[in-house]
Amino acid sequence: KAGVTQTPRYLIKTRGQQVTLSCSPISGHRSVSWYQQTPGQGLQFLFEYFSETQRNKGNFPGRFSGRQFSNSRSEMNVSTLELGDSALYLCASSSVPGLAGARETQYFGPGTRLLVL
Amino acid sequence: AQKITQTQPGMFVQEKEAVTLDCTYDTSDQSYGLFWYKQPSSGEMIFLIYQGSYDEQNATEGRYSLNFQKARKSANLVISASQLGDSAMYFCAMREGLGTSYDKVIFGPGTSLSVIP
Repeated sequence: KAGVTQTPRYLIKTRGQQVTLSCSPISGHRSVSWYQQTPGQGLQFLFEYFSETQRNKGNFPGRFSGRQFSNSRSEMNVSTLELGDSALYLCASSSVPGLAGARETQYFGPGTRLLVL
Repeated sequence: AQKITQTQPGMFVQEKEAVTLDCTYDTSDQSYGLFWYKQPSSGEMIFLIYQGSYDEQNATEGRYSLNFQKARKSANLVISASQLGDSAMYFCAMREGLGTSYDKVIFGPGTSLSVIP
């Protein structure tokens, strides 16, 4: 079974530009979560999608948005990039998100390293 | 307040010895899930083990076991027979708010483990 894939793996942008990152979950997984990882803030939750609906959103400005397609692939978009957006963006797919009593497995992709100059 | 606390920023262990990585969490939910992840220097986030709050037995996955003490809100990871390849950052995470508007997975700050030959 193929793992979680993320594209692109590396990206360099300049301030003010926008960027779109893509994530394909493990086959059969309908939940995709996005995280931002920086040395100073650690891993922070951005949002989670399940069956094309956003389930929850972290404490990030509206410049950060996402969506999920019918095949469970997800994209996140960051508009008007700022220097502080430089980070590793991780996507995770989950088997049974948030179901009480169910054993959840959440697998991460390799991440997209974004550098904003 | 921190939801996930990992009090050991860095730890050393001798190869072949066992090591315990501490994790305490804070939630008022009755139903929640706990995860441990490993992140080597390559940046990939590797799922290790999951414990549901209603699981009466401690989770085990190969050399990894989770010492779950619900009353103390503690979910320590035990790695038996450490190997050089275990050197990495280890993150404890929790999914709370199952089925609610705040349902999400949040991560602790991590513990850096170094295995000494």
